[in-house]
Amino acid sequence: EIVLTQSPATLSLSPGERATLSCRASQSVSSYLAWYQQKPGQAPRLLIYDASNRVTDIPARFSGSGSGTDFTLTISSLEPEDFAVYYCQQRRIWPLTFGGGTKVEIK
Amino acid sequence: EVQLLESGGGLVQPGGSLRLSCAASGFIFSNYDMNWVRQAPGKGLEWVSTISGGGDKIYYADSVKGRFTISRDNAKNTVYVQMNSLRAEDTAIYYCAKQFLYNWFDPWGQGTLVTVSS
Repeated sequence: EIVLTQSPATLSLSPGERATLSCRASQSVSSYLAWYQQKPGQAPRLLIYDASNRVTDIPARFSGSGSGTDFTLTISSLEPEDFAVYYCQQRRIWPLTFGGGTKVEIK
Repeated sequence: EVQLLESGGGLVQPGGSLRLSCAASGFIFSNYDMNWVRQAPGKGLEWVSTISGGGDKIYYADSVKGRFTISRDNAKNTVYVQMNSLRAEDTAIYYCAKQFLYNWFDPWGQGTLVTVSS
């Protein structure tokens, strides 16, 4: 099983600041990594797939990068609606696995 | 617009059974794999099971293998998960999610809560 480790667990930032979230895989997942956003009381929403492809209607301030074992989700300038929990997920090997999440909170 | 509506959650005793349903609309159901993903209270996401569009390929997480059975009825645009021998650690919100491209999940339903407790 591929273990995904997200860091930090919590990121405290102010609106307008840049957020950098990390996801590290226990073995290579090539570029088969996605990022999801989950707000309180809501289902997750897919933001980025195949490491760097943004889903339609996701704002350009969200970007993904990386390959192999190290991946980054960057939010260039935080909007109030971006404060949420973010999860990474790999599809390289069954079982499909998620990281433990990074909470982006308002400082 | 794609819509996924889960139902069937509730309170069940340890060792009991429950069947969850997810009614889909807004897309050609039989063309897409469907998935169940769960989230224990205050915890992260855990993939549970995937079924291919035709129902011929099925995958399970080790934590539920042998206890849960995923199935689908393409005539009714509905995917199911039959959950047997339930344990306290199965307590979670269960989401169904449509396949996006290959083994990504989008969109998700609103979820249904399963509580396993005596």
